[in-house]
Amino acid sequence: EAGVAQSPRYKIIEKRQSVAFWCNPISGHATLYWYQQILGQGPKLLIQFQNNGVVDDSQLPKDRFSAERLKGVDSTLKIQPAKLEDSAVYLCASSLGRGADTQYFGPGTRLTVL
Amino acid sequence: KQEVTQIPAALSVPEGENLVLNCSFTDSAIYNLQWFRQDPGKGLTSLLLIQSSQREQTSGRLNASLDKSSGRSTLYIAASQPGDSATYLCAVIRGYSSASKIIFGSGTRLSIRP
Repeated sequence: EAGVAQSPRYKIIEKRQSVAFWCNPISGHATLYWYQQILGQGPKLLIQFQNNGVVDDSQLPKDRFSAERLKGVDSTLKIQPAKLEDSAVYLCASSLGRGADTQYFGPGTRLTVL
Repeated sequence: KQEVTQIPAALSVPEGENLVLNCSFTDSAIYNLQWFRQDPGKGLTSLLLIQSSQREQTSGRLNASLDKSSGRSTLYIAASQPGDSATYLCAVIRGYSSASKIIFGSGTRLSIRP
């Protein structure tokens, strides 16, 4: 079974630039999550999708972050414009969606904002 | 507001020792608790999931316990090996719905010395 795929693996940009991350969840998984993990901290949930609908985006900085999951499969997370404090690893995870079940994580995208 | 704490932040032990990692949470109204492993530069791998009605779960050399009333969970690793070196994170999940809240601790960085 293929795992959660993310790209790119690494990205370096300057502040005020834009960046986008892509995630392909495990086939058949209805729920998709985006997390931000700052060095030395645990992951923080940014947004959770159930199929193509948003069920929780309470911690997403909506003035600069946006995410979509068209057709309920792949998802993109965008930052525009980026700030220095956005430097982090962005993790995508998916689950079957049957309640609070096990999440499967991708390898993450390491973003450095200079 | 739920807070999840993991102490110590880092731990180094010689190979072969048994060890315990600790996780505490402030709100006992959780649905389940998960322990994850994170290797450098990689995503998270789920190790054990304990439902709120359970007291413990076991997988191989790993045993996780849950005491909701005291807000504590422990991960016991028997006969530690160098390959166990990684960061271990616990996460509490609140609710049973597509909008379940998941909150991570900051992790314990474990190093097993050969």
